[in-house]
Amino acid sequence: DAGVTQSPTHLIKTRGQQVTLRCSPKSGHDTVSWYQQALGQGPQFIFQYYEEEERQRGNFPDRFSGHQFPNYSSELNVNALLLGDSALYLCASSLATGANYGYTFGSGTRLTVV
Amino acid sequence: AQKITQTQPGMFVQEKEAVTLDCTYDTSDQSYGLFWYKQPSSGEMIFLIYQGSYDEQNATEGRYSLNFQKARKSANLVISASQLGDSAMYFCAMRLNYGGSQGNLIFGKGTKLSVKP
Repeated sequence: DAGVTQSPTHLIKTRGQQVTLRCSPKSGHDTVSWYQQALGQGPQFIFQYYEEEERQRGNFPDRFSGHQFPNYSSELNVNALLLGDSALYLCASSLATGANYGYTFGSGTRLTVV
Repeated sequence: AQKITQTQPGMFVQEKEAVTLDCTYDTSDQSYGLFWYKQPSSGEMIFLIYQGSYDEQNATEGRYSLNFQKARKSANLVISASQLGDSAMYFCAMRLNYGGSQGNLIFGKGTKLSVKP
């Protein structure tokens, strides 16, 4: 049973560019959340998608946008990249009606902006 | 404001000994959940243990137990019989209810645990 799959694992982008990160949720999960983890910090919530709609959003600018597809996979898009966007981006999947502790995290995408 | 505080940036423990990682939380909500995750250098967040705010008994999962003191708003993780493979970052997190379904997680800054042979 595959867990959460994120791609790519690493990438390097230049300031001002745009990037798309991808996440395939654990089989049977229907909700995807994205987190940003800066070096030496805990993850910070970006947004959550359920039924192809953004259901919750953290304190992130509109440069951060997302999408969820009918197969529950999700994309995170970041426009006009800043040096401060360099971080590990984690995807977590869950079942909307599932157990309280039903989050499964991927290994993340490490983004470096130069 | 909802917040998780982990005051120990780093901890050392001798192999086979027990260690306690501290976590305090701040919320005015009555319904919430508390989590501990382990993050090895690979980056993946590994779920360790969960405690609901209405659970009367402290949660246990194998070598992990959660010392839940609701009045003090603390949720410390106790790892018994430490192993070398326990060396990693440990994060305490809180989930607030959102419309009856799962809300987002609020994380602390983490504690780096190093197990010495």
